[in-house]
Amino acid sequence: GEDVEQSLFLSVREGDSSVINCTYTDSSSTYLYWYKQEPGAGLQLLTYIFSNMDMKQDQRLTVLLNKKDKHLSLRIADTQTGDSAIYFCAEQDNTDKLIFGTGTRLQVFP
Amino acid sequence: GAVVSQHPSWVICKSGTSVKIECRSLDFQATTMFWYRQFPKQSLMLMATSNEGSKATYEQGVEKDKFLINHASLTLSTLTVTSAHPEDSSFYICSARDLGQSWDTEAFFGQGTRLTVV
Repeated sequence: GEDVEQSLFLSVREGDSSVINCTYTDSSSTYLYWYKQEPGAGLQLLTYIFSNMDMKQDQRLTVLLNKKDKHLSLRIADTQTGDSAIYFCAEQDNTDKLIFGTGTRLQVFP
Repeated sequence: GAVVSQHPSWVICKSGTSVKIECRSLDFQATTMFWYRQFPKQSLMLMATSNEGSKATYEQGVEKDKFLINHASLTLSTLTVTSAHPEDSSFYICSARDLGQSWDTEAFFGQGTRLTVV
């Protein structure tokens, strides 16, 4: 079946860049998403990328997609303490379902 | 952007009772809604796909008789956890996509419902 994997934990210093990686198996993915979840809260859509694109930039966020390797990454520039959260990547399959990764807990320290 | 409202935000119920969670699309019509479940410190797992006017499609391992889904209108889907037990305690989230807007593929999520069964 479809599978989406992420590393579980990332720790960075405030002001540095964070890079969160994600791999997926479904070659029919149409869109890939990054969501942010703060403690006790729902999901906040950060950005998404169409599967025929290889890069998308939105302010401090840069998404890179390597479709051949089925690898997706989210780069957060100038990481702030407010960026501490769990980040989920998700791929949308051809039935419109979202398959989520395990989530990466980002911890930003001063 | 589009808004999906989920109610209640949190609920505590006694073991053996049933709990209904509502998911509403406030400013768009959603022919399809999705129900997810999230255990503490884990990812979201798709439970079922709710289709307006027809039966829900459940993912493997999800008990359809325990998690009843009704999608009676284009703006409302409900998830009823029947005969709830403590192991059903979890965070339940719905999502919907405005499929009438072909250019808009964003899935909008409800705020989530934290269910605690005591």
